Amino acid sequence: GQQVMQIPQYQHVQEGEDFTTYCNSSTTLSNIQWYKQRPGGHPVFLIQLVKSGEVKKQKRLTFQFGEAKKNSSLHITATQTTDVGTYFCAGPNSGYALNFGKGTSLLVTP
Amino acid sequence: DGGITQSPKYLFRKEGQNVTLSCEQNLNHDAMYWYRQDPGQGLRLIYYSQIVNDFQKGDIAEGYSVSREKKESFPLTVTSAQKNPTAFYLCASSIGPGSAGEKLFFGSGTQLSVL
Repeated sequence: GQQVMQIPQYQHVQEGEDFTTYCNSSTTLSNIQWYKQRPGGHPVFLIQLVKSGEVKKQKRLTFQFGEAKKNSSLHITATQTTDVGTYFCAGPNSGYALNFGKGTSLLVTP
Repeated sequence: DGGITQSPKYLFRKEGQNVTLSCEQNLNHDAMYWYRQDPGQGLRLIYYSQIVNDFQKGDIAEGYSVSREKKESFPLTVTSAQKNPTAFYLCASSIGPGSAGEKLFFGSGTQLSVL
């Protein structure tokens, strides 16, 4: 089925530094979703991107969908300790479910 | 309070034993899903269901079984054929197909361990 690859697997930053995670697919995606999972918690939906080249912002988070709709990124400006967690991208599978990337675990030290 | 309830939070399985994980939702969602999470492996799809009495295998269905007799319930049975069942199991639901862009709502998960 459709696979989405995510890098890096881990990222450790100092509070105030920026952070970016990348998601890549070998095939065109009709849409891509992003989720955040806090340590010990469950994934929570952040956003969905649908259009080629789409850019959406949520406060310090910026989400992009590539022109070819095969890649996406999540950028966090000036990280805070509340940003700690694992960020997943997810794309449609061959049926009607979602395939998740392996996630990027973000650690922020004060 | 609307949401997805998974129980139990922790479950232990003995060798050769089948165990069933419960997932109930009161969001009136049509679609439900089961994912398995292992450290560093992300979320892998086990089974999913779009409507009552219908379900499809995901990428790692071997050793698992499901039923969807009611819209609000989607229990997962981990059978003795699943040789490496220790993992965190997440149930999710959505209004319509996740592949069509509907967002997934997750339960709080069940940690299954083998004794």
